[in-house]
Amino acid sequence: DGGITQSPKYLFRKEGQNVTLSCEQNLNHDAMYWYRQDPGQGLRLIYYSQIVNDFQKGDIAEGYSVSREKKESFPLTVTSAQKNPTAFYLCASSNTRTEAFFGQGTRLTVV
Amino acid sequence: KNQVEQSPQSLIILEGKNCTLQCNYTVSPFSNLRWYKQDTGRGPVSLTIMTFSENTKSNGRYTATLDADTKQSSLHITASQLSDSASYICVVPGDYKLSFGAGTTVTVRA
Repeated sequence: DGGITQSPKYLFRKEGQNVTLSCEQNLNHDAMYWYRQDPGQGLRLIYYSQIVNDFQKGDIAEGYSVSREKKESFPLTVTSAQKNPTAFYLCASSNTRTEAFFGQGTRLTVV
Repeated sequence: KNQVEQSPQSLIILEGKNCTLQCNYTVSPFSNLRWYKQDTGRGPVSLTIMTFSENTKSNGRYTATLDADTKQSSLHITASQLSDSASYICVVPGDYKLSFGAGTTVTVRA
C-alpha cells in the first residue's frame, strides 16, 4: 500500500541526548514536512524539503536538524539544543498541489 | 505572507446538534483548500478538497463550502456524533509549501 510511515510511535529521550525520528514515504511525493504539535495547539512547521538534497527551515527550526538524501526519506533529529522537545511530531508529504498525506506521528517524551 | 486562520479555536456542542467551522486564507496563488480531521494522538486524515471552481462539497455529515472571492471556507458538521470530537484543520497549498490553520477543536458531549 502507498503511504507515509513514521517510526517509532513512542520515543523517550534522556536530557542531553540526540534522537532521530524516521519518516518514509512511497508515494513518490517531492515535498516532505515535519511539524510539531503541543497539547491544545496547532501544527507548527519545523523543516520542509521540496527536493532531494535541499531543505528549508520552518517557523521553529532551532534545536532540530534534517536531511533529505533520498526522495523517500526525511529523518528529523531532535538535538540536545532543543530545550523543550516533549511533543507530538508529525511528518507529511505532498506534491504541493495535491493532497497531503500525514504519518501517524511520533510522541517524544524527555525523561 | 501566506496565512490560514481558523475560528473558533474550540467549541463544545451537544450530540445531535450542528456546528460550523470557519477558515480564512490569504494564500496566493490558490489551487485548492483541504479540510482534515485529526483525532487525538493520530495523524490528520483528509475530509474534503475544494478546488477553485467548487462552491460546496459533502462527505457524509461533513459539508465544506468555498468562496474564492472572499477567500473563505467553512466546514459544517450535521447531526454531530461523539466520534466527531477531534481537531479540524484547514490546509491551503502555496507555491512552495503547505499553509496550515491552527485548527478548531470540537468536543461533542452526550
